[in-house]
Amino acid sequence: DQQVKQNSPSLSVQEGRISILNCDYTNSMFDYFLWYKKYPAEGPTFLISISSIKDKNEDGRFTVFLNKSAKHLSLHIVPSQPGDSAVYFCAASAETNNLFFGTGTRLTVIP
Amino acid sequence: DAGVTQSPTHLIKTRGQQVTLRCSPKSGHDTVSWYQQALGQGPQFIFQYYEEEERQRGNFPDRFSGHQFPNYSSELNVNALLLGDSALYLCASSYGTHSNQPQHFGDGTRLSIL
Repeated sequence: DQQVKQNSPSLSVQEGRISILNCDYTNSMFDYFLWYKKYPAEGPTFLISISSIKDKNEDGRFTVFLNKSAKHLSLHIVPSQPGDSAVYFCAASAETNNLFFGTGTRLTVIP
Repeated sequence: DAGVTQSPTHLIKTRGQQVTLRCSPKSGHDTVSWYQQALGQGPQFIFQYYEEEERQRGNFPDRFSGHQFPNYSSELNVNALLLGDSALYLCASSYGTHSNQPQHFGDGTRLSIL
């Protein structure tokens, strides 16, 4: 049973525009949500996180939005750069930091 | 400052064999978790070690076992290998087990079962 879902396997965006990656979850006990970026032949790299008591967290070009009532979160990247091209994983945890991952969205930023 | 290191990077085994994968956590981290990532999927949690004990376990059979050493490094052992065990095995470390402590991942061990 997939508790974290990323329904878009891929996304292409022009350089300089906004990239929006979406994620849905089913478990209302999740209290932390994270985004990881993964390049080929490397492990996932932590990008940004948000606590369930917040609805927005910003770090430079990256902003994560959380809508608890809809059980939905999104990652906004503005402006998108070619180096942002990677697979992005949404993950969630409940009380401990064991992570439940989505299946990933491959972002391609076109120069 | 070394990050999470895993060895070996690649491994080929045959069905029925046993395998041991190794992980050294990021400096300052005391908690190690292991994940299995099948092709086209997100990582799946196997188990977590803290203070040399298994603290949490995902939905994996007891063919999967582990160990944490006093220096916080860890091993993942898989017995009686099946073709379906072919995957990327990721180790992650953190400071503590609370959900506000993000995990940092190594580059993984690619295990292929023939």
